[in-house]
Amino acid sequence: DAGVIQSPRHEVTEMGQEVTLRCKPISGHDYLFWYRQTMMRGLELLIYFNNNVPIDDSGMPEDRFSAKMPNASFSTLKIQPSEPRDSAVYFCASSFLGTNTEAFFGQGTRLTVV
Amino acid sequence: KNEVEQSPQNLTAQEGEFITINCSYSVGISALHWLQQHPGGGIVSLFMLSSGKKKHGRLIATINIQEKHSSLHITASHPRDSAVYICAGPIQGAQKLVFGQGTRLTINP
Repeated sequence: DAGVIQSPRHEVTEMGQEVTLRCKPISGHDYLFWYRQTMMRGLELLIYFNNNVPIDDSGMPEDRFSAKMPNASFSTLKIQPSEPRDSAVYFCASSFLGTNTEAFFGQGTRLTVV
Repeated sequence: KNEVEQSPQNLTAQEGEFITINCSYSVGISALHWLQQHPGGGIVSLFMLSSGKKKHGRLIATINIQEKHSSLHITASHPRDSAVYICAGPIQGAQKLVFGQGTRLTINP
């Protein structure tokens, strides 16, 4: 397996635009996590899915953020409209049995909102 | 106060030195993860442990559940070990990882 694949690797967009980040988890993994990393706050959980169902989205900062997992091999994180404070690195991770098993991270998407 | 605290925040050492990074946590954690993040930004899982000690090459991780403390050791450190090391633990009964703030390690040749 190629590991967790995220796209794009880098995204620069103007304030107010819609941004969609994509993630392909490792095949067979039942859990998918979206994290955000900033200098100020470090790594934070935004939302996680179990068997394609969103379980906990309490980390999603605002209604501008939404995430979907239409099938076991694909998830999206959307920001609409984007703001400069959304600039961060967004990581997707997957694991077989949740946080009590090893997590595999994607390479991340570096988002810059200008 | 962070629920997961790492020390030191920054560490610079010479090649060959023995390195220790500490992680203390105040929440109930069922297992502890050590992650490595290289300057390129990718995050790699090094260890996940719930008791005792694990070893992988020159890296050793230990945990004391009663004292809520874990350490990551690197023997015979090398410049390629330069990275940010992050400890994290899932809150018991939840699938949320709580992260430490990271330790930036620089190994000079």
